[in-house]
Amino acid sequence: DQQVKQNSPSLSVQEGRISILNCDYTNSMFDYFLWYKKYPAEGPTFLISISSIKDKNEDGRFTVFLNKSAKHLSLHIVPSQPGDSAVYFCAASALNNDMRFGAGTRLTVKP
Amino acid sequence: DAGVIQSPRHEVTEMGQEVTLRCKPISGHDYLFWYRQTMMRGLELLIYFNNNVPIDDSGMPEDRFSAKMPNASFSTLKIQPSEPRDSAVYFCASSSPGTDYGYTFGSGTRLTVV
Repeated sequence: DQQVKQNSPSLSVQEGRISILNCDYTNSMFDYFLWYKKYPAEGPTFLISISSIKDKNEDGRFTVFLNKSAKHLSLHIVPSQPGDSAVYFCAASALNNDMRFGAGTRLTVKP
Repeated sequence: DAGVIQSPRHEVTEMGQEVTLRCKPISGHDYLFWYRQTMMRGLELLIYFNNNVPIDDSGMPEDRFSAKMPNASFSTLKIQPSEPRDSAVYFCASSSPGTDYGYTFGSGTRLTVV
């Protein structure tokens, strides 16, 4: 049962352009959402998060948008840099601290 | 703190053998999670512990998988007997309630069962 879905396994963008990674969820009990970034041979690392009481959170080049009615969130990276090339996981959790992850999207930023 | 420490980094074993993966969480974190990463399903939650007690093991694929947390600083995930379809990267993560950054992951154990 995939409660968190990332339907795009890969995304390729040009350096300097915007990267938009999408995520959908099915569990209406989720109240906290996170994005993790993963480089090869390393564990996922926290990137940015958003609480369900907000619809936008920004941290430098990274912005996460949450649309609760659509059960959809997205991660925007502007401008994209080659060092952003990684696998990005969307994650969601409910009050019990049990976090569910999507399958990941591999982002490639071309110089 | 050295972060979440997993061992071994790589494990190659023959089908039918027992495999034990190890994890040392961050000191003070009272939640510990075991995840499995595959190409098809991404990061799947296998089991998690709170204060050393297993809370939810519904993600454990079958009886061949077992996990223990004998104390706050150590956990194991055991597969017996192992099968080729168990080949994946297994991650351990720990967390403490109320942190904004969610979980801290280890570097993972890449398991190959031949």
